[in-house]
Amino acid sequence: DIQMTQSPSSVSASVGDRVTITCRASQGVNSWLAWYQQKPGKAPNLLIYAASSFQSGVPSRFSGSGSGTEFTLTISSLQPEDFATYFCQQAGSFPLTFGQGTKLEIK
Amino acid sequence: QVQVVESGGGVVQPGRSLRLSCAASGFTFSSYGMHWVRQAPGKGLEWVAYIWYDGSNKYYADSVKGRFTISRDNSKNTVYLQMNSLRDEDTAVYYCVTGLGGGNYFEYWGQGTLVTVSS
Repeated sequence: DIQMTQSPSSVSASVGDRVTITCRASQGVNSWLAWYQQKPGKAPNLLIYAASSFQSGVPSRFSGSGSGTEFTLTISSLQPEDFATYFCQQAGSFPLTFGQGTKLEIK
Repeated sequence: QVQVVESGGGVVQPGRSLRLSCAASGFTFSSYGMHWVRQAPGKGLEWVAYIWYDGSNKYYADSVKGRFTISRDNSKNTVYLQMNSLRDEDTAVYYCVTGLGGGNYFEYWGQGTLVTVSS
């Protein structure tokens, strides 16, 4: 199975800050990587797929990059609604696996 | 618009069975693969199972293989998750999810249904 490891596990930031979250795969997944945002009590929401493709309706302040085993999600200028938990997921092979999550908190 | 609505969750004793249902609408259900993903209370996300658009292929997480069965009825736009030999660690919110383009990115999520395994 492919293990996905996110860092950091949590981060505190302020509105307007730039934040980067990293996701590492235990083996190469090409560009088969997605990012999700989840707010408390809600289902996750797909932000980025194929490592860098925007899902419809996602603000342009979100961007994804990487391939192989290392990926990043960047939020260029944090907005109040961005404080949530973020998960990466590899879609390259079964079983599909997620990172453990990164909680983005208000400083 | 796309909607997926799960049902069938509840409290069940260890070792017993439960069947979840997911009713889908707003898209051509018979053309899309469907997933189940779960989330234990306060924990991360775990993919559970996937079924091809026509039901011809199915995939499972190791943690549920041999105990859970995914199936679908395209005439009813419904996907099921039959859960047998339930364990405490199966306690979670279970989400039914469409695959983006029928594939392995999770696009449209239901609201989830809570399964609690407890004696």
